[in-house]
Amino acid sequence: TQLLEQSPQFLSIQEGENLTVYCNSSSVFSSLQWYRQEPGEGPVLLVTVVTGGEVKKLKRLTFQFGDARKDSSLHITAAQPGDTGLYLCAGGDFGNEKLTFGTGTRLTIIP
Amino acid sequence: NAGVTQTPKFQVLKTGQSMTLQCAQDMNHEYMSWYRQDPGMGLRLIHYSVGAGITDQGEVPNGYNVSRSTTEDFPLRLLSAAPSQTSVYFCASSYAPTGLGGNTIYFGEGSWLTVV
Repeated sequence: TQLLEQSPQFLSIQEGENLTVYCNSSSVFSSLQWYRQEPGEGPVLLVTVVTGGEVKKLKRLTFQFGDARKDSSLHITAAQPGDTGLYLCAGGDFGNEKLTFGTGTRLTIIP
Repeated sequence: NAGVTQTPKFQVLKTGQSMTLQCAQDMNHEYMSWYRQDPGMGLRLIHYSVGAGITDQGEVPNGYNVSRSTTEDFPLRLLSAAPSQTSVYFCASSYAPTGLGGNTIYFGEGSWLTVV
């Protein structure tokens, strides 16, 4: 069974600070996705990374896929209250329809 | 602009009752799946389908049944509800396999189920 551990589980920081969320596994994934989920809604896809070492930027969010394709990180610069939510990573596997989700990081940005 | 629609939004069941969670998508996606979300455990795959008439089990299939008679609909049936099935259920759909880079998976808004 593939597992994805996210850390930290909870994070509460002041507006304007920087933060990094981690997603780690002992398994190799063909792709890694990051989602944000707000209360009462389903997850919304932020980004997909597919190449080891790949870095993608989405405004103030920077996503990186580890060289060995076992881990990923999400870095947020100058956090804003609108960044508050549950962040989920999810690993994909070619030839297997089973997307494996991480345990989630609940982020709160304090104005 | 419906996307993925789930009904009902909230449901309370008694132990032993059965019910069906409905899921419909209007994007002509072949791939559909059901997840449950529990605190501290992320989302876990229950069942999935790669097209009409084709379904398969995910990580936690026990106590649930699915069928896919049309491309649009993918209902999830609870056969005999148990308190352990209290959870939030999400239906999802995509045009390509979930592991494929560049593929966007669309989720419904969720169905909150409580079994007492």
